[in-house]
Amino acid sequence: DTGVSQNPRHKITKRGQNVTFRCDPISEHNRLYWYRQTLGQGPEFLTYFQNEAQLEKSRLLSDRFSAERPKGSFSTLEIQRTEQGDSAMYLCASSLRKAGPQETQYFGPGTRLLVL
Amino acid sequence: QKEVEQNSGPLSVPEGAIASLNCTYSDRVSQSFFWYRQYSGKSPELIMSIYSNGDKEDGRFTAQLNKASQYVSLLIRDSQPSDSATYLCAVNIMTTDSWGKFQFGAGTQVVVTP
Repeated sequence: DTGVSQNPRHKITKRGQNVTFRCDPISEHNRLYWYRQTLGQGPEFLTYFQNEAQLEKSRLLSDRFSAERPKGSFSTLEIQRTEQGDSAMYLCASSLRKAGPQETQYFGPGTRLLVL
Repeated sequence: QKEVEQNSGPLSVPEGAIASLNCTYSDRVSQSFFWYRQYSGKSPELIMSIYSNGDKEDGRFTAQLNKASQYVSLLIRDSQPSDSATYLCAVNIMTTDSWGKFQFGAGTQVVVTP
């Protein structure tokens, strides 16, 4: 399978614990995006990378959230001191960015987080 | 005002009929537009991308773009029960450095009834 993969697929944690999610993009893709999605809403942008550089981070994202893409391949998203409001589906998408505005994202299966 | 707006639905469509979904966006410089299908509990799956004004057809799906009106639509012909899902409209947003950020609508739920 050469699509975007995410691990774990499900995570249940207690409030106050730290969690880390991993995303492996499509191999030739240079851009990687993280989104959060709650019931009845579209994916909400969190951050994105081009190669290993983090180009933008949502202003809605608190300091408890951090993401890395150290070698320009896989990425991790860490949430520190989780809160019940962090419960959501965390989606990763990747794309191949070339010159011009045309860019198509492909999503991974997501990680569903439940904070008790 | 939300940057990408869709009717939430549900849009009820008889099997075999045409489903028509609409999306409006606020960023006049947006250049890339996408429709994704999302089944309950699953991640979004790309259906169509469109970059130029006019129609683009792919199988039973047709995307229509009107940049002057800031409007993009999706038609699903010969609707099947398997088309029952939420359809997300996505638009790229110009940031300070490049075309990097995608904005999603909240989605339109489509229910195809046998």
